[in-house]
Amino acid sequence: DAKTTQPTSMDCAEGRAANLPCNHSTISGNEYVYWYRQIHSQGPQYIIHGLKNNETNEMASLIITEDRKSSTLILPHATLRDTAVYYCIVRISFYTGTASKLTFGTGTRLQVTL
Amino acid sequence: NAGVTQTPKFQVLKTGQSMTLQCAQDMNHEYMSWYRQDPGMGLRLIHYSVGAGITDQGEVPNGYNVSRSTTEDFPLRLLSAAPSQTSVYFCASSYHDTQYFGPGTRLTVL
Repeated sequence: DAKTTQPTSMDCAEGRAANLPCNHSTISGNEYVYWYRQIHSQGPQYIIHGLKNNETNEMASLIITEDRKSSTLILPHATLRDTAVYYCIVRISFYTGTASKLTFGTGTRLQVTL
Repeated sequence: NAGVTQTPKFQVLKTGQSMTLQCAQDMNHEYMSWYRQDPGMGLRLIHYSVGAGITDQGEVPNGYNVSRSTTEDFPLRLLSAAPSQTSVYFCASSYHDTQYFGPGTRLTVL
């Protein structure tokens, strides 16, 4: 699985968009970009994933660059409840790769403030 | 659905003791996993299962055993606890490309 690089920490004002970057310059053609988050002391929570097209769901948007070497997770209107560690993970799809294996790095600690 | 449940939430063991961490899911997922998370670090895969009767090792399997007799349950056994196993343990089940995590068990080995 490709290695990812994320900033250690970021701050965001409540109500503003939080843009969390992730570099994955060694990503392979069959690898997806996944985002999870972990709120303090809780289990990680799935947010979104994508291959090459931009994706949006009720939680967030995922923007993947055309060369797929980087991506950005966007929380459109951050709230205090979004304060968490956000993990960007690159791996091949469940259907073609090692079952259930996610390689978590150290992630980005997002602090949402009033 | 209760989702993924784990018991106990907290446990303190002495070195050399054994115990079983319980994990159950009611979503009929075939795939289940165990991870550990040490302070300030990401999650590391211990063992995983692709279905009842089938288990395999992750990246840090030493000192742990698993079994999968039913789809619902995936217990993790510590054979002889060591201080290095002090950690938070998360169980997860998977559906397609999404993993659902339990609330975790915080284990301290003295």
